[in-house]
Amino acid sequence: SQTIHQWPATLVQPVGSPLSLECTVEGTSNPNLYWYRQAAGRGLQLLFYSVGIGQISSEVPQNLSASRPQDRQFILSSKKLLLSDSGFYLCAWKPRGGPRDAFFGQGTRLTVV
Amino acid sequence: LAKTTQPISMDSYEGQEVNITCSHNNIATNDYITWYQQFPSQGPRFIIQGYKTKVTNEVASLFIPADRKSSTLSLPRVSLSDTAVYYCLVGDIDDYKLSFGAGTTVTVRA
Repeated sequence: SQTIHQWPATLVQPVGSPLSLECTVEGTSNPNLYWYRQAAGRGLQLLFYSVGIGQISSEVPQNLSASRPQDRQFILSSKKLLLSDSGFYLCAWKPRGGPRDAFFGQGTRLTVV
Repeated sequence: LAKTTQPISMDSYEGQEVNITCSHNNIATNDYITWYQQFPSQGPRFIIQGYKTKVTNEVASLFIPADRKSSTLSLPRVSLSDTAVYYCLVGDIDDYKLSFGAGTTVTVRA
């Protein structure tokens, strides 16, 4: 069966520090991969999606970047965190060309102080 | 991607049926309608998906009228544990993007 791993679960980082959140998927090949951010009490904001290795689409200009070095690995990064980067970050995958049901990781609660 | 509109919030009591309507006036011929449920501090999870008429599973029912310009998610006999945010998504199954709106916050009270 397919599983998605996202870590860490919580993270407290100072302003100006770098960020690296990792997400890996098991049990499937060629998934579409996604990074979302959710501010407190708000909806899900799509940040990046990827349809293949090295292929990244950005939805919102921001202080973050994403990379997909391997088929089932998706990384969210920042060189210098801002206070406004705080939030709940979710990684997700969806079968390519299949039904529109996506599967989400457990999320990372990031607090920038 | 078709734009969707759903109520911001709904209140209900245990044992009642909850119906959430989503409007999607510019739905395309190849678009499906999918609903997700999200609990606090968790990622959304798939509830149900349909194209037309009615779809039912162990969790919910989805009603889609003939013109497909709206859809209604029906949660039968809700319990406190059904308190969550419910999202309606419309799009082709081959869509790369998976964009969520603000969703509907459903609060179930005892």
